[in-house]
Amino acid sequence: DSGVTQTPKHLITATGQRVTLRCSPRSGDLSVYWYQQSLDQGLQFLIQYYNGEERAKGNILERFSAQQFPDLHSELNLSSLELGDSALYFCASSVMPHYEQYFGPGTRLTVT
Amino acid sequence: GENVEQHPSTLSVQEGDSAVIKCTYSDSASNYFPWYKQELGKRPQLIIDIRSNVGEKKDQRIAVTLNKTAKHFSLHITETQPEDSAVYFCAALRIQGAQKLVFGQGTRLTINP
Repeated sequence: DSGVTQTPKHLITATGQRVTLRCSPRSGDLSVYWYQQSLDQGLQFLIQYYNGEERAKGNILERFSAQQFPDLHSELNLSSLELGDSALYFCASSVMPHYEQYFGPGTRLTVT
Repeated sequence: GENVEQHPSTLSVQEGDSAVIKCTYSDSASNYFPWYKQELGKRPQLIIDIRSNVGEKKDQRIAVTLNKTAKHFSLHITETQPEDSAVYFCAALRIQGAQKLVFGQGTRLTINP
């Protein structure tokens, strides 16, 4: 157990819908990262937050957005969902932006 | 931006033998290189990492080497065991600047008993 928690574990929804994924970092970690992992694919960096502020952006679609709240938990919002958005979404956290990242258990999103 | 190439994509070794996975990176300013192990349906787990001020790091049966000049780094697993079977990902990050962790494509390692 890495200490990073993610909810929900599984999510099944229809195309066009909107969902919110939640992540709580390890105690003491200020940085949160979101990654997407499609079937048999690698890990694609989406976005990073540090102490409430956006720090870096990767291949994140305009339909996706995220934020980090004052209590340091983070939410990833996915809207106008398409079949191709079906994937595992991982959250990771670290003490500082360039320190070791520890991953949560992931949320498996299925869009039907 | 940074690009990380990982080889091989699949690797099958006999139990007890050694396994080596290699990665190359494109951004010469990258200075942090972690390795993650991911079992089927589970989260990636950090198994070892190295920073650019050292050339080698070892932790029991696992070692990582870094060649900054050639911009490549490798994971070495000795005395492999069935529980080493998993997908392994290398990654690279530049501490200054964007600080995006860029992953390789992964290597599916199978240990044959």
